[in-house]
Amino acid sequence: DAGVIQSPRHEVTEMGQEVTLRCKPISGHDYLFWYRQTMMRGLELLIYFNNNVPIDDSGMPEDRFSAKMPNASFSTLKIQPSEPRDSAVYFCASSLRTGVNSPLHFGNGTRLTVT
Amino acid sequence: AQSVTQLGSHVSVSEGALVLLRCNYSSSVPPYLFWYVQYPNQGLQLLLKYTTGATLVKGINGFEAEFKKSETSFHLTKPSAHMSDAAEYFCAVSRGSNDYKLSFGAGTTVTVRA
Repeated sequence: DAGVIQSPRHEVTEMGQEVTLRCKPISGHDYLFWYRQTMMRGLELLIYFNNNVPIDDSGMPEDRFSAKMPNASFSTLKIQPSEPRDSAVYFCASSLRTGVNSPLHFGNGTRLTVT
Repeated sequence: AQSVTQLGSHVSVSEGALVLLRCNYSSSVPPYLFWYVQYPNQGLQLLLKYTTGATLVKGINGFEAEFKKSETSFHLTKPSAHMSDAAEYFCAVSRGSNDYKLSFGAGTTVTVRA
């Protein structure tokens, strides 16, 4: 099992540019989560999907952020246009099901720097 | 609403010494509590969790935590620190058994001195 795979590992872009982060969950996992980690706000849940359907996007900070899951093995988080305050580490995680008996498996994250 | 507070953003211990990381929770319903560890440049990994039953929970790598309802605490301990324990540790709370919308604490960074 390769685990949750995120790409790219690092992204440096200029303010105003579009950024797309990618995630491949563990095969067979029904739930996919996008988190953002910053020094100021810690770990925040942005959005999560169940069977490719967005269930809760209340953590998405602004309309500049969007997430899609076109199939069970791929998800994207897009920021357009990007701003310096979007600089953070973005984590994708997946789980077999929701609930406390199904642990989250995190990817290694994408470190985004917006200049 | 559920939340956790981790006391101390940084802890430094000597190799072989006790590791104690403090976590207090606030929850309007019986909490489900977790400890995660994050090694440099990696994602979070589950160390242990408390759902129901035994209040002393054992996890991986020799860590354990005790749920104390009267103190609203879920402190993480390890009797003897190893250099490989250097990492950031996060306490988290879930609002229900079927909900994985975790609320994470701010994290505690552990450094281990040789």
